Amino acid sequence: GAVVSQHPSRVICKSGTSVKIECRSLDFQATTMFWYRQFPKQSLMLMATSNEGSKATYEQGVEKDKFLINHASLTLSTLTVTSAHPEDSSFYICSARDRRTAGETQYFGPGTRLLVL
Amino acid sequence: AQTVTQSQPEMSVQEAETVTLSCTYDTSESDYYLFWYKQPPSRQMILVIRQEAYKQQNATENRFSVNFQKAAKSFSLKISDSQLGDAAMYFCAYRSSLNDMRFGAGTRLTVKP
Repeated sequence: GAVVSQHPSRVICKSGTSVKIECRSLDFQATTMFWYRQFPKQSLMLMATSNEGSKATYEQGVEKDKFLINHASLTLSTLTVTSAHPEDSSFYICSARDRRTAGETQYFGPGTRLLVL
Repeated sequence: AQTVTQSQPEMSVQEAETVTLSCTYDTSESDYYLFWYKQPPSRQMILVIRQEAYKQQNATENRFSVNFQKAAKSFSLKISDSQLGDAAMYFCAYRSSLNDMRFGAGTRLTVKP
């Protein structure tokens, strides 16, 4: 299947700092990318849908000023957690939709573990 | 809104045996896709199998097959000849042609040697 990379794989930061997470589709162009958050032993919760060249669409309850999303190219989307606080600590996963495949299958990055001290 | 229900939080299977994971979904759409993803301890989400709703034939991928019952809105995953490497969280997912992917709560599969 298609490959999606995510960087960094884990990050530890101090409260109040901002953290940027990159998501790249390596062998296909993704006009649509998704950002999920996963708490321990829980399912994936969709945070926002990132569309290339336009503003992201956020799910209800997700603060767009807190979680800034930029989808500047067909292979790159970034999630910036601004002024991070301990409650933002979580596992963040990006996903990219491969329009070449039946059902436009979504492929997932390996995730980023964020710990805010 | 579409919902996906996995009623089995945990399942266990003996190595080389067969196990079936259940998934039901609720939708008013007629055109949609269903997926099973595997999440091992590394937490990398891996596509196991996908099914297009317009196809009556059940999808199969080697040891993995589905039982897709569209009228009943059921989409179970059967794993044959279970291997130790199959141990993981399994998520059922639904996506219509217009919407994003929605996941079930997951089923943790343990494979006993």
